Amino acid sequence: GENVEQHPSTLSVQEGDSAVIKCTYSDSASNYFPWYKQELGKRPQLIIDIRSNVGEKKDQRIAVTLNKTAKHFSLHITETQPEDSAVYFCAAGGSNYKLTFGKGTLLTVNP
Amino acid sequence: NAGVTQTPKFRILKIGQSMTLQCTQDMNHNYMYWYRQDPGMGLKLIYYSVGAGITDKGEVPNGYNVSRSTTEDFPLRLELAAPSQTSVYFCASSATSRGSGNTIYFGEGSWLTVV
Repeated sequence: GENVEQHPSTLSVQEGDSAVIKCTYSDSASNYFPWYKQELGKRPQLIIDIRSNVGEKKDQRIAVTLNKTAKHFSLHITETQPEDSAVYFCAAGGSNYKLTFGKGTLLTVNP
Repeated sequence: NAGVTQTPKFRILKIGQSMTLQCTQDMNHNYMYWYRQDPGMGLKLIYYSVGAGITDKGEVPNGYNVSRSTTEDFPLRLELAAPSQTSVYFCASSATSRGSGNTIYFGEGSWLTVV
């Protein structure tokens, strides 16, 4: 089955700096790569996703890049704000509609 | 449109007890899932369903059962609760469409403690 590795497990940045979280996956058949944000005590919520026919996608301060050859994808958050502090999960999935999640990255943005 | 609704939000069980976590969605999604999230860990798939009457095991199905009698409902049954089942449980759903991958929408979670 699919295996998703996510790094780093914790990330601390100063407000205004950029944050990058990286994930690798094992199954070359995976073609859907979402990122979820989970605040303490809340449900995971989708913030951005990318599909295998696209190399990069951007939504305001958030961007995701995908390298299918190397089987890795990354989340980039620019101009970080304290409200960006949360746990971020990457995931990989395919046409079977199941997602395999990474273990998460705790992002702390210091004012 | 409430999305994915799961109950109860919190529950304490004694070892050996049984219970059912209820989940319903009003988005007419064919796909439904149960994930568990242990502290500091990611989400692991317990069971999933691609439509009414069809269920399949995920990564960690032992100790659980599910049923899918309607499109809307996907209850998760815990038989003979064990401390290892202390976790946060998330029900989720996604739509069916052609092509790759669909957004999964999560319920608010159910915090279960087995003592």
